[in-house]
Amino acid sequence: DSGVTQTPKHLITATGQRVTLRCSPRSGDLSVYWYQQSLDQGLQFLIQYYNGEERAKGNILERFSAQQFPDLHSELNLSSLELGDSALYFCASSVGLAGDTNEQFFGPGTRLTVL
Amino acid sequence: GENVEQHPSTLSVQEGDSAVIKCTYSDSASNYFPWYKQELGKRPQLIIDIRSNVGEKKDQRIAVTLNKTAKHFSLHITETQPEDSAVYFCAASKGMNSGYSTLTFGKGTMLLVSP
Repeated sequence: DSGVTQTPKHLITATGQRVTLRCSPRSGDLSVYWYQQSLDQGLQFLIQYYNGEERAKGNILERFSAQQFPDLHSELNLSSLELGDSALYFCASSVGLAGDTNEQFFGPGTRLTVL
Repeated sequence: GENVEQHPSTLSVQEGDSAVIKCTYSDSASNYFPWYKQELGKRPQLIIDIRSNVGEKKDQRIAVTLNKTAKHFSLHITETQPEDSAVYFCAASKGMNSGYSTLTFGKGTMLLVSP
């Protein structure tokens, strides 16, 4: 157990719908990262937050958005869902931006299926 | 941005053999190179990492080497066991000194160890 929690574990929805994925980082970790994992694309970085502020963006679609709240949990919002959005979505956390270690600890993931 | 290439995509070995997975990166400013292991249906977990001020690091049966000039790093697993079967991801980051710790992952190598 990494200490990072994600809910829900599984999500099945229809095209055009909107869903919210939730992540709670490890206690003390200020940085949260979201990744999308599909069979043919590996682990794709989506977005990073540090202490409530967006710090880096990767290959995140405009239909997707995220935020980190004052209690440091984060939510990833996916809207106007398409079949191709079906994937495993991971949240990871790390202590912060700089320091002696940048190890990212991954949560168990949310498997999204769009029908 | 950073681009990480990983080879091979699949690797089959007999138990007891050695396995080598290779990665190349494009951004010479990258200075932190972790390796993650992902078992089927589970989260990625860090197994070893190396920083740019070190050329080699070993942890029991696992070792990682880094060639900064060639922008190339490799994972070596000796005396492989069936429980080593998993997908292995390499990654690169500029996070060690610049305060920017986003990871760019390779596409993964599926390692299959036959008894």
